[in-house]
Amino acid sequence: GAVVSQHPSWVICKSGTSVKIECRSLDFQATTMFWYRQFPKQSLMLMATSNEGSKATYEQGVEKDKFLINHASLTLSTLTVTSAHPEDSSFYICSAMVASGTIETQYFGPGTRLLVL
Amino acid sequence: KNQVEQSPQSLIILEGKNCTLQCNYTVSPFSNLRWYKQDTGRGPVSLTIMTFSENTKSNGRYTATLDADTKQSSLHITASQLSDSASYICVVSRYNQGGKLIFGQGTELSVKP
Repeated sequence: GAVVSQHPSWVICKSGTSVKIECRSLDFQATTMFWYRQFPKQSLMLMATSNEGSKATYEQGVEKDKFLINHASLTLSTLTVTSAHPEDSSFYICSAMVASGTIETQYFGPGTRLLVL
Repeated sequence: KNQVEQSPQSLIILEGKNCTLQCNYTVSPFSNLRWYKQDTGRGPVSLTIMTFSENTKSNGRYTATLDADTKQSSLHITASQLSDSASYICVVSRYNQGGKLIFGQGTELSVKP
């Protein structure tokens, strides 16, 4: 149980185009999902918190107009990288959170590798 | 400042050997501590979770310890296998932070035949 999928697993695009990444919780519902990016040899960096039915909360330094997040249902959140540039090339990972009592557990997706040419 | 520090940064061991990874944290209010394994190009996978009252948790060949007084944790890997080669990340949660996690930088483990 508690499986999170991401699609696509990798994408190559031209500079200036937009790319949409989907994050799905396959066997559970998640009111809260998170989006991270990870550069080589570095740990995950939180980009934004996505709550179902409301606007995402972005971390300081993350451009909300560039990284559009939509959490339309309890099992799906999408991240759209608008007008992508080479510096947006990175590994993007989502997670879906489940709360059990006071313990909140994030289940991570397999990641999406984005390469902008 | 809420921080998680791991050591060593990288480690190379021979297959079959044991190893121990360290994690020190300065996080408050502490909720729980997890160890994750992240294979290259994949998302993190949870190995163990420990709350304040737990000091040992095992998952197969992985054994995690927690000393809440000294704010230290360790992950011991027994009889290492080539498939254990990965990044091991120590992650701490705080109470009432909307689920946000504080990540360590990870220890890159390489198991050689």
